[in-house]
Amino acid sequence: TQLLEQSPQFLSIQEGENLTVYCNSSSVFSSLQWYRQEPGEGPVLLVTVVTGGEVKKLKRLTFQFGDARKDSSLHITAAQPGDTGLYLCAGDTGNQFYFGTGTSLTVIP
Amino acid sequence: EAQVTQNPRYLITVTGKKLTVTCSQNMNHEYMSWYRQDPGLGLRQIYYSMNVEVTDKGDVPEGYKVSRKEKRNFPLILESPSPNQTSLYFCASSLIRNTEAFFGQGTRLTVV
Repeated sequence: TQLLEQSPQFLSIQEGENLTVYCNSSSVFSSLQWYRQEPGEGPVLLVTVVTGGEVKKLKRLTFQFGDARKDSSLHITAAQPGDTGLYLCAGDTGNQFYFGTGTSLTVIP
Repeated sequence: EAQVTQNPRYLITVTGKKLTVTCSQNMNHEYMSWYRQDPGLGLRQIYYSMNVEVTDKGDVPEGYKVSRKEKRNFPLILESPSPNQTSLYFCASSLIRNTEAFFGQGTRLTVV
């Protein structure tokens, strides 16, 4: 069992649709990050959230950190083919840093 | 250019033959770590290092060794590779543990 579970594991949607990816844990995190990974590359940071209830927006991407700092969500509005990739959440417990199980997103033109 | 460099990118080896994957960063980062990536399991941490001469086990350390003799280098050593270590490996560095992690391009290892 992974400390950070993401759902769904796979997501295939049409261009223009909205979607939400979830990152859940029973542990509390001092901060949480979201990364995107494209094939053949390492993950690249999208955002860091540090305060419970915090919402951050990055163009069409909205990130939320749960009030209890145990979970997070990533919402994409009007998905585009360029959003295709593996999305990974990652959290720091204060003792160690963990990555989530990942959500593979495919946006079909 | 700020970067993390891993070598080799691809490696096929036989069971039991010792190998080393190198990792070097040019950002003067204190924190470095190794991950393996397997389908459906995301990135699992193998070992990490908070600073020179300070290393510790991650979630899946069995069968791996690391060393941190210099700040910039963090090699991953497989003393006796086995087929269950076939995976995609990433090295990462960050200023400290919970700041932005910069990743290498990955090493795809196959052990036959």
